[in-house]
Amino acid sequence: AQKVTQAQTEISVVEKEDVTLDCVYETRDTTYYLFWYKQPPSGELVFLIRRNSFDEQNEISGRYSWNFQKSTSSFNFTITASQVVDSAVYFCALSEATGGTSYGKLTFGQGTILTVHP
Amino acid sequence: NAGVTQTPKFQVLKTGQSMTLQCAQDMNHEYMSWYRQDPGMGLRLIHYSVGAGITDQGEVPNGYNVSRSTTEDFPLRLLSAAPSQTSVYFCASSYGVMNTEAFFGQGTRLTVV
Repeated sequence: AQKVTQAQTEISVVEKEDVTLDCVYETRDTTYYLFWYKQPPSGELVFLIRRNSFDEQNEISGRYSWNFQKSTSSFNFTITASQVVDSAVYFCALSEATGGTSYGKLTFGQGTILTVHP
Repeated sequence: NAGVTQTPKFQVLKTGQSMTLQCAQDMNHEYMSWYRQDPGMGLRLIHYSVGAGITDQGEVPNGYNVSRSTTEDFPLRLLSAAPSQTSVYFCASSYGVMNTEAFFGQGTRLTVV
């Protein structure tokens, strides 16, 4: 069965610090998708990134970057020069793609609460 | 562009009552799903659908029913509410074989007393 672990329950940083959110996953499928979602205090879920299992390229989007390593089954998320607006709960999620199709089913980690202090 | 719309946003039920959480999407997505979010547990899949007339159970289906008569709508029914069903419920939709990201509704905060 698939599983996602976000070992960091809460992280607190001061503005402008860099912070890395860890995500470790388990799956038997060779084809799968990994996601990060942000849940700000308002409660909605905001999509940040999707990565498929065949693409191990790291990605950078502004202050956000993602490091995908199949060898360690990890998909970590780094925020550079954090800002107060980054305060939120961040979820890592996995979608297995049996036969190439994920059916939209996501397995989420427990979430990491990030608080950025001014 | 409405995206995924959930109603109601808040609901209080008494133990034993039944109700339906509504979910509608206007993006012509094939896949729709329901999740519940509980503190410290992330989101867990309740039921999902890969198209009109096709539904299946997720990780925590007990106490919930779903049906999908149209592409747009995917209601979640609580048959006999229990305090353990106090949670925040999210509906999501996504495209089919493109394996794209899921779009989520705003959530329904349900309290069962």
